[in-house]
Amino acid sequence: DAGVTQSPTHLIKTRGQQVTLRCSPKSGHDTVSWYQQALGQGPQFIFQYYEEEERQRGNFPDRFSGHQFPNYSSELNVNALLLGDSALYLCASSRDRGTEAFFGQGTRLTVV
Amino acid sequence: DAKTTQPPSMDCAEGRAANLPCNHSTISGNEYVYWYRQIHSQGPQYIIHGLKNNETNEMASLIITEDRKSSTLILPHATLRDTAVYYCIVKRVGLRDNYGQNFVFGPGTRLSVLP
Repeated sequence: DAGVTQSPTHLIKTRGQQVTLRCSPKSGHDTVSWYQQALGQGPQFIFQYYEEEERQRGNFPDRFSGHQFPNYSSELNVNALLLGDSALYLCASSRDRGTEAFFGQGTRLTVV
Repeated sequence: DAKTTQPPSMDCAEGRAANLPCNHSTISGNEYVYWYRQIHSQGPQYIIHGLKNNETNEMASLIITEDRKSSTLILPHATLRDTAVYYCIVKRVGLRDNYGQNFVFGPGTRLSVLP
């Protein structure tokens, strides 16, 4: 079992561009959550997907959007990138109503 | 979700037990206590979680007080590789309304294991 996998591991984008990050959940998990972690801070919840719908959302602008596919994998899209979007983006997977949750290794996004 | 309070930093000698405290005085009955750690900007690594009973796994032990207002994570024989930021989080799980399972991270405890 590969656990939670994220791609790419690192990414450099220019301000104003758009980016797509990907996450494959742990086998048997159907719920995917995304977090943003700025340097020196704890992860901040962006949103959660279950049954291909956004179920819960944190305090992030509409520039942040996502998608979940029938195989439970997920994408995080960020439009009109700002320098402040530079961060480690983490994906966590879990089973609906289950207690376990595991994180991927993250995607390091740098906006220049 | 309830907030937690942890000391900002702790030191521990290699080979000794590391005891990391966490205060969660406003925890409610359907909230679990979770511990994760993060090593050098890698993704948070799951350590252990519990509801009200003490729990033990191959990594650590979790001791929850009877009133559930505080807990202690115990790493029985700390090694240099245990140097990390440790996060204590309380979170609701498994409600009928499918409330999300998002974690609210505080600043955590930076544990330094010293040789």
